[in-house]
Amino acid sequence: GAVVSQHPSWVICKSGTSVKIECRSLDFQATTMFWYRQFPKQSLMLMATSNEGSKATYEQGVEKDKFLINHASLTLSTLTVTSAHPEDSSFYICSAGGRAGASYEQYFGPGTRLTVT
Amino acid sequence: AQSVTQLGSHVSVSEGALVLLRCNYSSSVPPYLFWYVQYPNQGLQLLLKYTSAATLVKGINGFEAEFKKSETSFHLTKPSAHMSDAAEYFCAVSRGGSNYKLTFGKGTLLTVNP
Repeated sequence: GAVVSQHPSWVICKSGTSVKIECRSLDFQATTMFWYRQFPKQSLMLMATSNEGSKATYEQGVEKDKFLINHASLTLSTLTVTSAHPEDSSFYICSAGGRAGASYEQYFGPGTRLTVT
Repeated sequence: AQSVTQLGSHVSVSEGALVLLRCNYSSSVPPYLFWYVQYPNQGLQLLLKYTSAATLVKGINGFEAEFKKSETSFHLTKPSAHMSDAAEYFCAVSRGGSNYKLTFGKGTLLTVNP
């Protein structure tokens, strides 16, 4: 099956610093990647949608200057949380949309736990 | 606009009992519907999906769901619960295939008692 990886799986950073999270589709070309945020015991909230080679489309209420998304290739998208604050602490999950074998669906990464101190 | 309502934030069943997790959707276009499972501190795993073909969809781990347009429902069932089924379950709706965003319900935590 299709595999999506995220790195790092867990990161702690100090308030005011920036953190970059990578999302990779390992065995298929992801034409679209999605970034979600999940607070404890809550559902996933879509932050943004990115297509390879173009600017990301952010959901209403998501600060695009704070959450920088780059989708430079068909296998890699990055989310950079700039000037992180404790309220940015959350579980960030990416998904990749595309064709893997005969199936067209979104494949989810394992998530990245961000803690800002 | 699309939305999903999952009835019951927490469902508790005994091992071997029927599992029924409820999902109702709202969509202005024919929907694609999905059920995902999430174990603690992990990403989401697709259980099954409805993409306008057969209304009764069979998924992994013995789960199935039936699309009922008249009731705008897509409830998830499993005849006999196993301890390993304990997890968070999310219903989601989309306008289309893999390049369309998913709108998730709030999730239902399934507890399986021995």
